[in-house]
Amino acid sequence: GAGVSQTPSNKVTEKGKYVELRCDPISGHTALYWYRQSLGQGPEFLIYFQGTGAADDSGLPNDRFFAVRPEGSVSTLKIQRTERGDSAVYLCASSLNIAGGSDTQYFGPGTRLTVL
Amino acid sequence: AQKITQTQPGMFVQEKEAVTLDCTYDTSDQSYGLFWYKQPSSGEMIFLIYQGSYDEQNATEGRYSLNFQKARKSANLVISASQLGDSAMYFCAMRENSGTYKYIFGTGTRLKVLA
Repeated sequence: GAGVSQTPSNKVTEKGKYVELRCDPISGHTALYWYRQSLGQGPEFLIYFQGTGAADDSGLPNDRFFAVRPEGSVSTLKIQRTERGDSAVYLCASSLNIAGGSDTQYFGPGTRLTVL
Repeated sequence: AQKITQTQPGMFVQEKEAVTLDCTYDTSDQSYGLFWYKQPSSGEMIFLIYQGSYDEQNATEGRYSLNFQKARKSANLVISASQLGDSAMYFCAMRENSGTYKYIFGTGTRLKVLA
């Protein structure tokens, strides 16, 4: 079956602009995660959803970042007034059952965001 | 607080040899999961292996095994019979099973397999 997909694969924007990054999880996966990965670093947790609700958004760096998952499937990460420091690869992952001990995340290919 | 430490920024191994990638963790939870992921130059994160904190035996998946030493809070990845295609970044991650279920990743180890 299809894996996690993310669009666009690359996004170049200017400082101060608004961007939306989309994630389409594996069908049936109830948990969805967003991460940010800077060059040479591991993925940094941003937010996760269980169904439609944000179960933990403690990783969002500030109020310019927001994410939604209105129907419990596709999720959109929204960044307002982008800054150069927001440049990174944004990764999305989904999993079948967040309460499961061996619950495994499956990652999408990421969106490379460049803020000029 | 959760923390993952990978102290080897880069490793080299000769093809067909075994290599161990180090990972230590910190948590106050009794129930947690430990994961290893591979990230080739293409960028996609690939799940390799999982170890639960209550699992008594070390996890194995093909050429991958996880050397789990709970008292030392270490979860090292062992890759046997290295192949050129194993050259990649490797990340250790942890998820606590109480409260928040978020995953915390280490900074990674870049492995280069030499022909």
